Amino acid sequence: NAGVTQTPKFRVLKTGQSMTLLCAQDMNHEYMYWYRQDPGMGLRLIHYSVGEGTTAKGEVPDGYNVSRLKKQNFLLGLESAAPSQTSVYFCASSALAGGLHEQFFGPGTRLTVL
Amino acid sequence: GDSVTQMEGPVTLSEEAFLTINCTYTATGYPSLFWYVQYPGEGLQLLLKATKADDKGSNKGFEATYRKETTSFHLEKGSVQVSDSAVYFCALSDQAQKLVFGQGTRLTINP
Repeated sequence: NAGVTQTPKFRVLKTGQSMTLLCAQDMNHEYMYWYRQDPGMGLRLIHYSVGEGTTAKGEVPDGYNVSRLKKQNFLLGLESAAPSQTSVYFCASSALAGGLHEQFFGPGTRLTVL
Repeated sequence: GDSVTQMEGPVTLSEEAFLTINCTYTATGYPSLFWYVQYPGEGLQLLLKATKADDKGSNKGFEATYRKETTSFHLEKGSVQVSDSAVYFCALSDQAQKLVFGQGTRLTINP
C-alpha cells in the first residue's frame, strides 16, 4: 500500500516552460488536493477535487490548472512557469467519511523556476 | 474566512523539557481541529485530531484539547525527545471540508 505518491520529486524549470506534476493515491479516496508550501506561510490550497471529473479552485489557483480524469490521479499543470511558482508542492487525499476529512499527504515535489 | 494562528517559531528546547505550541483559530460553525507534523524532507503526517469541544486528541505522548471557549487547540508534550524535532502545523477543517493551516512552528530539540 503506497498511499499517496508524487512524481517527480525535484524539477528545475526556466521561466515560461510548462510541466505537469502527477499525484496518485491507492486508497480509493474521493477527495484530492494540491498545496504549495512556502517559508513562513504554511500550506496554501491551490486546487482540489471532490471526485472523479471534478475540480475546484482553492486559495491560490492563478497560474495553475488541474485535471482529475481518473479517481486515483490528480494532475497539476503549470502552463508558463514563473519564478514566483518556486515552491514545494504537496498532494493530499481524503475519504468521504463522516465529515472528518483527515488528509494523507505525499512526499512533495520541490520545484525551482529560474 | 476561517484562519489558524500558531505561535511564532523557531522553538528550541533541551531533551526532556516540557513543550507547548500555541494554536488559536477563527471559524464559523464547529470545525474539526488537527495537528500535523512534518519531519525533514518528508510530507505532512497527522499527529492528532479532535472533532468537538472538550475532545482531547493524543498520540506519541502529544496531547491537545479542543477549547471552544478560548478557540484554542494548544499542543503539549511532557518530555520531548531529539526525534521530536520537526515542523508542527495546526489546522482546521472548514465547512467545505478543506483544511486551513497555520504557518507552522519549527521545533528543535537538543540532546
